[in-house]
Amino acid sequence: AQSVTQLDSQVPVFEEAPVELRCNYSSSVSVYLFWYVQYPNQGLQLLLKYLSGSTLVKGINGFEAEFNKSQTSFHLRKPSVHISDTAEYFCAVSDGGLYGLTGGGNKLTFGTGTQLKVEL
Amino acid sequence: DGGITQSPKYLFRKEGQNVTLSCEQNLNHDAMYWYRQDPGQGLRLIYYSQIVNDFQKGDIAEGYSVSREKKESFPLTVTSAQKNPTAFYLCASSRGLAVNEQFFGPGTRLTVL
Repeated sequence: AQSVTQLDSQVPVFEEAPVELRCNYSSSVSVYLFWYVQYPNQGLQLLLKYLSGSTLVKGINGFEAEFNKSQTSFHLRKPSVHISDTAEYFCAVSDGGLYGLTGGGNKLTFGTGTQLKVEL
Repeated sequence: DGGITQSPKYLFRKEGQNVTLSCEQNLNHDAMYWYRQDPGQGLRLIYYSQIVNDFQKGDIAEGYSVSREKKESFPLTVTSAQKNPTAFYLCASSRGLAVNEQFFGPGTRLTVL
């Protein structure tokens, strides 16, 4: 079974300050990790993903995350936040592909989310 | 532009009524998903479909039903058996076989009056 823990439900930060949103996971199989952002009353948008290769992953809007297998973490960072980064952020882990049928796909398990509030 | 559409954006229902939420995608994705989002609980998987004419229950399928008659469409019916249906519902899709990110629609907010 897989699970994701986002320990911080809310993170307040001043504009232009750095931020780190924490994500820890558990999985009994290969790990595939994602960060999504959600603005109020909207769907989720992918920020970045780790499937394989380099453990430092760069995404959109200046965000990056580092996959740390020994600490089972995938923390999201941004060196300087903007007011427009105010949103909810979700970490998710995949259990790998669904190979039972031709169509495939993969199941994601989401964390409970971290509300990032950027203040002037 | 390719993407996922959900309708309606807001939906109100009286207790005891069934209601169907629409989800359409033109990304040519094989797999489609329905999630329920409640404050402080993240997203929980209701149903998913890997291919046309097939679907599987997710973690919270009770009180919901789906169909997948066309590749582009994956409607969700919230039945009167769902005891607490007020929530934000999100539809997603992904390419098949390999692990890939899921693309999300804008969501439907269902309120039971």
